[in-house]
Amino acid sequence: GDSVTQMEGPVTLSEEAFLTINCTYTATGYPSLFWYVQYPGEGLQLLLKATKADDKGSNKGFEATYRKETTSFHLEKGSVQVSDSAVYFCALKKGGKLIFGQGTELSVKP
Amino acid sequence: DAGVIQSPRHEVTEMGQEVTLRCKPISGHNSLFWYRQTMMRGLELLIYFNNNVPIDDSGMPEDRFSAKMPNASFSTLKIQPSEPRDSAVYFCASSPMTGDSNQPQHFGDGTRLSIL
Repeated sequence: GDSVTQMEGPVTLSEEAFLTINCTYTATGYPSLFWYVQYPGEGLQLLLKATKADDKGSNKGFEATYRKETTSFHLEKGSVQVSDSAVYFCALKKGGKLIFGQGTELSVKP
Repeated sequence: DAGVIQSPRHEVTEMGQEVTLRCKPISGHNSLFWYRQTMMRGLELLIYFNNNVPIDDSGMPEDRFSAKMPNASFSTLKIQPSEPRDSAVYFCASSPMTGDSNQPQHFGDGTRLSIL
């Protein structure tokens, strides 16, 4: 069945470091892909999305490119801030349902 | 604009009691989703509604769980009787249109449920 796999956390970085969180998916057809972010004590918020191959989603300095050939949607940011500390979820959408990865916790130290 | 509103934010109760979680979706959204989040299992979709009709309840763990959506602005998730293993954070989410895969889901802040 359809599934999403993310790199395991926690990921700990220093402020201004480069961030990559890997995400790969298994799905039939061409799902839409999403990154959500969850701050402590809150619900998930949409960070960015891509709806077809080679699309690049971007928001708040984060980027991810829909790579059909490698079935990947890796999240990147050039310079992280302490305020980026959160749990990040990769997800695909098929048939109205979101299928989430297990989440990757990011901790950014000053 | 008001987002998805869930109540209560926290619930602590003893096993065997009935628990009712409530959700008000964003006005105009016609799809509503209930999720459960635990450390062990991550985020699981329990059930979703489209235009107040349950479409897929395959994620509902067992008969102790039930969900209703009597109108477009309100949904409940009920657990009866509750058990300690039901302890989790329960999220409600809504989106404008299930059929459009481009539409994201908007999440509430969740209900943290603890069954003693």
